[in-house]
Parts: sequence; structure tokens; C-alpha cells
Amino acid sequence: DAGITQSPRYKITETGRQVTLMCHQTWSHSYMFWYRQDLGHGLRLIYYSAAADITDKGEVPDGYVVSRSKTENFPLTLESATRSQTSVYFCASTTTGTGFSPLHFGNGTRLTVT
Amino acid sequence: DQQVKQNSPSLSVQEGRISILNCDYTNSMFDYFLWYKKYPAEGPTFLISISSIKDKNEDGRFTVFLNKSAKHLSLHIVPSQPGDSAVYFCAASKGSSNTGKLIFGQGTTLQVKP
Repeated sequence: DAGITQSPRYKITETGRQVTLMCHQTWSHSYMFWYRQDLGHGLRLIYYSAAADITDKGEVPDGYVVSRSKTENFPLTLESATRSQTSVYFCASTTTGTGFSPLHFGNGTRLTVT
Repeated sequence: DQQVKQNSPSLSVQEGRISILNCDYTNSMFDYFLWYKKYPAEGPTFLISISSIKDKNEDGRFTVFLNKSAKHLSLHIVPSQPGDSAVYFCAASKGSSNTGKLIFGQGTTLQVKP
């Protein structure tokens, strides 16, 4: 089915471990984003990508790494997980780079760092 | 520094009545505003948007009002239905120069009672 899918849906990991969250979209959208949702903060932008091999930092990038070798995939890696990275992570995509195109979100990955 | 604020964490209304969700922003450079709805265990879905050149936008039961002088926007849902029960996020963008990055408020949980 067309859309944006995230995996895994739930993940528990230990402090210090590396973990990768996957995001795949079938719309061929050029722009992709990673947000995290935390109580009291709403959604905050971690990283975004304008096209394959083009990525840039968002509001809260520290501790995260992204790559985009293919247009349809945008994985997010926590190099050494910390408890403060316990959150719900949402991947999103859109067709243009303006603020006038609504983002389409995946269903999220709930990550717990113990 | 929270540039987009939703000061009411929750709102409860009776089915058939009007729901009014509020949002304030501080950055006068924002020129596009969006509302997203989020059900539990799902990603946010786009609801309605408004450009800063307008003061009202309507889509069925949903109307968004923008008061630029007060840096305030509101979402009206008339009539409210139980299926509208969800978390509502307002978001703002700086438009074409911002490559689609959104700044979100903290969210307001709406409960519509039958």
C-alpha cells in the first residue's frame, strides 16, 4: 500500500546502545523529516532531508544521525542511546519544500531507553 | 523558548456543541499555519491550514481564524462529534524559505461527550 511506514512500532533498548529507526515512503516525496513527540513539547524537528544525499539539522539534532541514500528511505540512528531520548518518533514526508504543503506522518515508533 | 503555544492542555465539550481550540505564537515571521489531529497510536493527520494573508479558512465543520495583530489562531469545530475526540496540534511555518519545517504547539486533548 502507498504511504509512509515506520519500523519498529515499539523498541526497548539500553543506555549506550546504538539503535536505528526506519522510515519508508512510497510517494516519491522529495522531502522527509524526523520529529520526536514529548509531553509538554509537542513535536520537535530532529533532522530533515530535501533529497537523496541532502540532510540538515532541525531543532534537536544532538545524539542523532541520519542518512538518505535512496529517496524512499530515511533512517534515524541513535549512536549511543540515553534515557532523555525516550520518546515517540515520527517520520514525515511532503512533496515540496515550502511551508504550504502539509506533512504526511507515519504512525510512529515508541522508543524506551532503560 | 516555545514559539507556538497551546495553553489549554485539554477541552471537554458536549456532542453537537462548538469546540474552540486556541493557539498563540510569538514569531511574526510565521506566514503559514496548520492544524493536525492525532489519535492514539497513530501519526498526526493534516486537518486544515491558513495563510497569513487570510483571516479565515473553512472546510466543512472546521474553521480556522487568524488574528495576526494578536498573534493568535483558533480552530472551531461545529458541530462537535465523538469521533473528533483526539489531540489537536497547531503548527506554524516560515513559508517557502523554510523548506517545510514546522514548529508545533504542545497539543490540546479534545474530548467530545455523547
